[in-house]
Amino acid sequence: RKEVEQDPGPFNVPEGATVAFNCTYSNSASQSFFWYRQDCRKEPKLLMSVYSSGNEDGRFTAQLNRASQYISLLIRDSKLSDSATYLCVVNFNFNKFYFGSGTKLNVKP
Amino acid sequence: GAGVSQTPSNKVTEKGKYVELRCDPISGHTALYWYRQSLGQGPEFLIYFQGTGAADDSGLPNDRFFAVRPEGSVSTLKIQRTERGDSAVYLCASSLGANTEAFFGQGTRLTVV
Repeated sequence: RKEVEQDPGPFNVPEGATVAFNCTYSNSASQSFFWYRQDCRKEPKLLMSVYSSGNEDGRFTAQLNRASQYISLLIRDSKLSDSATYLCVVNFNFNKFYFGSGTKLNVKP
Repeated sequence: GAGVSQTPSNKVTEKGKYVELRCDPISGHTALYWYRQSLGQGPEFLIYFQGTGAADDSGLPNDRFFAVRPEGSVSTLKIQRTERGDSAVYLCASSLGANTEAFFGQGTRLTVV
């Protein structure tokens, strides 16, 4: 079983829609959590960290559910520029980041 | 710029040759990571350095792969006797310390023909 699992998508949504992605992780001792964004043929870039209490950054909201071992990302009022692959990242053992395979989002006009 | 720098950006090599990929992390970042990414997949962990030492090399696929970071800054990933299956984008990342967010370089696209 992979350490981090994501629905690969693609999620095809119209501009202005709200879309949510989930990600599950296998190691209950995981310590820190992140969402990264990756554009085609580019490197991953940090979108936001995920805190136990949940956190929001503009149109983006991240939630962590430790009991169920999943992380979510909610994007409100989708923009064309949100089209990308979203990578769920989990860090445990203090020494490596495990990446999911990514969820592809296509925002259509 | 102040980001993670990787060279070369592209490398084409013949099967069986030796290659070196270089990573220059963000200044002051003690943690350095190498990842490999194939098309349609998330980055796959290879090795992690804390300072000069390889704290975790459990992701290296076999003994053809080796990485060094002799002065705790620049790192080199070395691949011997390259195979076509080694073709991928090799990503380097650095962070201030373990468990803090990592910042990636633009990657080296390795093609073995």
